[in-house]
Amino acid sequence: LAKTTQPISMDSYEGQEVNITCSHNNIATNDYITWYQQFPSQGPRFIIQGYKTKVTNEVASLFIPADRKSSTLSLPRVSLSDTAVYYCLVGDIRSNYQLIWGAGTKLIIKP
Amino acid sequence: NAGVTQTPKFRILKIGQSMTLQCAQDMNHNYMYWYRQDPGMGLKLIYYSVGAGITDKGEVPNGYNVSRSTTEDFPLRLELAAPSQTSVYFCASSKEVWNEQFFGPGTRLTVL
Repeated sequence: LAKTTQPISMDSYEGQEVNITCSHNNIATNDYITWYQQFPSQGPRFIIQGYKTKVTNEVASLFIPADRKSSTLSLPRVSLSDTAVYYCLVGDIRSNYQLIWGAGTKLIIKP
Repeated sequence: NAGVTQTPKFRILKIGQSMTLQCAQDMNHNYMYWYRQDPGMGLKLIYYSVGAGITDKGEVPNGYNVSRSTTEDFPLRLELAAPSQTSVYFCASSKEVWNEQFFGPGTRLTVL
């Protein structure tokens, strides 16, 4: 089964760029890499998804190296409201792989 | 659009009781999912559905049952509740399996 490993927690300051890396050594050929954000007492919210190379949207960038064994979520110029838990999700239920969520990275942004 | 709705928001059960957690989506999504999230942990997939009438087990299906008679609704049934089922339950939906999942607000369940 695909498994993801992320840092348990990270701190940063307002205005900085934050990079959170996820390791997924057993990623399968068909697996997408998706990142979600979760605030306390809320369900996760989609941030970005990619398959390879680089993807950028209005809130984040996702960097995926050629071997796809890791991925990095990049949050530009973070603010206090970016304090949340960030999850990397790898998997595809169409194959025998389940949707395996990691324990998440608790990001704390300081003023 | 209301998105994904879940009821109830909170519930306390006694050991051995049963209950149904309701989930509905109004986005005409094919895929629906049930997750549980224990404190400080990631989400674990309980069951999922690829369309009306089709369901399949996820990572932790024991003690739960689901049905999907319509595109909109995906109830989760707990039979013989146990303290180990104390958790927050999230329902989610997506148009296709590779699309983003939209989550409901969750149901906080305590089994005493």
